[in-house]
Amino acid sequence: KNEVEQSPQNLTAQEGEFITINCSYSVGISALHWLQQHPGGGIVSLFMLSSGKKKHGRLIATINIQEKHSSLHITASHPRDSAVYICAAHGGATNKLIFGTGTLLAVQP
Amino acid sequence: DTGVSQDPRHKITKRGQNVTFRCDPISEHNRLYWYRQTLGQGPEFLTYFQNEAQLEKSRLLSDRFSAERPKGSFSTLEIQRTEQGDSAMYLCASNRRGGLSGNTIYFGEGSWLTVV
Repeated sequence: KNEVEQSPQNLTAQEGEFITINCSYSVGISALHWLQQHPGGGIVSLFMLSSGKKKHGRLIATINIQEKHSSLHITASHPRDSAVYICAAHGGATNKLIFGTGTLLAVQP
Repeated sequence: DTGVSQDPRHKITKRGQNVTFRCDPISEHNRLYWYRQTLGQGPEFLTYFQNEAQLEKSRLLSDRFSAERPKGSFSTLEIQRTEQGDSAMYLCASNRRGGLSGNTIYFGEGSWLTVV
């Protein structure tokens, strides 16, 4: 079992739909990151969370420390949101990121 | 700031050759990470530096792999006697402990390696 698991692995949505990507982790963490990776490799950090909720534009990220679960929500999805979304747990005891396998999102017009 | 930069972006090499990748982190970042990513997988941790000290190495980093960060600024990742299984994207990332940016981590564009 991976230490960081995401679901779903693949997601196809219609433009305008509300999207949720889930992340569960089994390790103790100091922070959880949501990352966006476009084809070609570039990774952009969307959020870093250690508690509660953060919002940036149409993106919302939440984390429940007790349940070891985080969600990334995209409101009013758009084709330009199509990318791989990765959650990564920043270990409390070490400084390395443990990555989930990613969720491939395709938003169709 | 230009962000984290990696060079070369793409490298095709014959099996058995040595390759070296360079990463220039964001200038005030004292932590630097190397990850490897294969198609369809999330990045896997390889190694991590705090300043010039290599503090952790993954078991994925075989004897053919070596990483350095001699002056605590840029880092190099060398792969000796490359094998086809080394074909992957090698990602560099950096962050700074504490400060306003906290642990926000910044990634380079990656260096694609193809071993033929």
